[in-house]
Amino acid sequence: AQTVTQSQPEMSVQEAETVTLSCTYDTSESDYYLFWYKQPPSRQMILVIRQEAYKQQNATENRFSVNFQKAAKSFSLKISDSQLGDAAMYFCAYRDSGGSNYKLTFGKGTLLTVNP
Amino acid sequence: ETGVTQTPRHLVMGMTNKKSLKCEQHLGHNAMYWYKQSAKKPLELMFVYNFKEQTENNSVPSRFSPECPNSSHLFLHLHTLQPEDSALYLCASSQGFSSGNTIYFGEGSWLTVV
Repeated sequence: AQTVTQSQPEMSVQEAETVTLSCTYDTSESDYYLFWYKQPPSRQMILVIRQEAYKQQNATENRFSVNFQKAAKSFSLKISDSQLGDAAMYFCAYRDSGGSNYKLTFGKGTLLTVNP
Repeated sequence: ETGVTQTPRHLVMGMTNKKSLKCEQHLGHNAMYWYKQSAKKPLELMFVYNFKEQTENNSVPSRFSPECPNSSHLFLHLHTLQPEDSALYLCASSQGFSSGNTIYFGEGSWLTVV
């Protein structure tokens, strides 16, 4: 079974600085998708960024980028120029590719605090 | 504004009560999900529906009973719950099960069982 591990329960960053959130996963599959979701105090899970395992290029979305290391099974999220609105719980998630693979496997999350 | 709407946002119920959580998606999706989010635990998938048909019951106790009358609506009927069932229940939807399709979540329903 796939597992997702987020080793940092909490992180903090100064406004305008850069922070990296870690995520590792375990799978025997070669093709899959990885996601970072953000859960602000409103509790809605919002997709931040996703990465397809067969793509070597790291995904980027504005101030958010990932460092995808397939061999190491590592998928970290970098937030540049941190803003107060980035404060939230961040979840790393994994999903198999192919077939009826609707299951998202989530990590336990990292609580990010942004200090003014 | 979210494309997935959940009501009520907060619910307190006794162990002998019967209540329901409602989810509606406005995204034209055909797959809907219930997830449970407990403190200090990863999100747990509970039920999955595709075109109103249940495709997954992740060993959920029978005191939780889902209902999907159409592709836009999903209910979770609650009966004889336990205090450990207190959690945030998240509804989600997607356009089919292709793994590349994004799963969109609602804001959740906070359930407290007393």
